Amino acid sequence: EDKVVQSPLSLVVHEGDTVTLNCSYEVTNFRSLLWYKQEKKAPTFLFMLTSSGIEKKSGRLSSILDKKELFSILNITATQTGDSAVYLCAVDGYGQNFVFGPGTRLSVLP
Amino acid sequence: GAVVSQHPSRVICKSGTSVKIECRSLDFQATTMFWYRQFPKQSLMLMATSNEGSKATYEQGVEKDKFLINHASLTLSTLTVTSAHPEDSSFYICSALGHPNTEAFFGQGTRLTVV
Repeated sequence: EDKVVQSPLSLVVHEGDTVTLNCSYEVTNFRSLLWYKQEKKAPTFLFMLTSSGIEKKSGRLSSILDKKELFSILNITATQTGDSAVYLCAVDGYGQNFVFGPGTRLSVLP
Repeated sequence: GAVVSQHPSRVICKSGTSVKIECRSLDFQATTMFWYRQFPKQSLMLMATSNEGSKATYEQGVEKDKFLINHASLTLSTLTVTSAHPEDSSFYICSALGHPNTEAFFGQGTRLTVV
């Protein structure tokens, strides 16, 4: 059965800290892995990863995929209170629907 | 955690027919639901935001007469793809925002194939 596991499920840090969120998966016919930030509104897209070892960056956020070990990490440097959200990892497989992880709830304290 | 059920998970329909996709929040009341579409090799694209009892707000470029959204109750929103054509074949997914406002939870998605 396809599944996506995220860790930690919850994380509390202070502003300025760096955090690493983990996502591991078991999916047949893997196509892509996506990261979303979910707040009190529509989830917003962060990254789509399809190739191993290529880091994607957007400001203070970066992510990388390891297709051999079947995981991805999302890094956030110099965290701000506005980074507080649930971060979702989803995996897309050919001929299948998305499989979402449970999410990591990040709380950034001032 | 909260559960959002989307049905059907897959549907194949003939060109020119209409398809209805349901999104239900099973254990919470969803004041707001979001409908997304994913194009191949691309991220999810927000199509519209619907609030219970009011008209949906569509994103730019999304035809509201083509993609009818109804959010008649706090636990159910439907997306109807009217007069479907092959270019409407895609992956459609909903997410539901509960009350009081918490995070939004995704349904399982619907893969639509129009032949």
